[in-house]
Amino acid sequence: GAVVSQHPSRVICKSGTSVKIECRSLDFQATTMFWYRQFPKQSLMLMATSNEGSKATYEQGVEKDKFLINHASLTLSTLTVTSAHPEDSSFYICSANERNIYEQYFGPGTRLTVT
Amino acid sequence: TQLLEQSPQFLSIQEGENLTVYCNSSSVFSSLQWYRQEPGEGPVLLVTVVTGGEVKKLKRLTFQFGDARKDSSLHITAAQPGDTGLYLCAGARNTDKLIFGTGTRLQVFP
Repeated sequence: GAVVSQHPSRVICKSGTSVKIECRSLDFQATTMFWYRQFPKQSLMLMATSNEGSKATYEQGVEKDKFLINHASLTLSTLTVTSAHPEDSSFYICSANERNIYEQYFGPGTRLTVT
Repeated sequence: TQLLEQSPQFLSIQEGENLTVYCNSSSVFSSLQWYRQEPGEGPVLLVTVVTGGEVKKLKRLTFQFGDARKDSSLHITAAQPGDTGLYLCAGARNTDKLIFGTGTRLQVFP
């Protein structure tokens, strides 16, 4: 149980375009989903917390107009990187809570490359 | 500010050796999780500890939560090449947000 999927697993886009990444909880309802960014050989950095039906809460230093998060249902959250630039290239990972609020289950990640 | 410091950062050992990874903080956490991440994949939850002094065993892995709930350790006995990966501790402080440690990259050679 507690499986989280992400789509796509890899995406290459041109500078200035927008990219949408989906995060789904497959076998449970996720009231809260989280979006992280990970640079090579580094740990995870929390970008935002997303609750179903409400606006996402962004961490300090994360541009909410650039990283649009939508959590329209209990099983789906999306992250849209708008007007992407090469410095946005990174590994983006989502996670979701089930009933135990201290445990998060992670998706497999999305590798974004902006050329 | 990185609230959770892991040591060592890198560890390269031979198959069969034992090792310990430390996760330290000056802050108290209500719970602490350990994850293992392989390249190009998301972290996989190994264990959650919630009680000060708690010890949990998962086959060859032993996890301990410090009495004051500020630190934790992961001990691996007789490491195998399949244990290779990035080990991350993550703490929760009465919210649903996790604060991740700096990570320990383990390489086990056959």
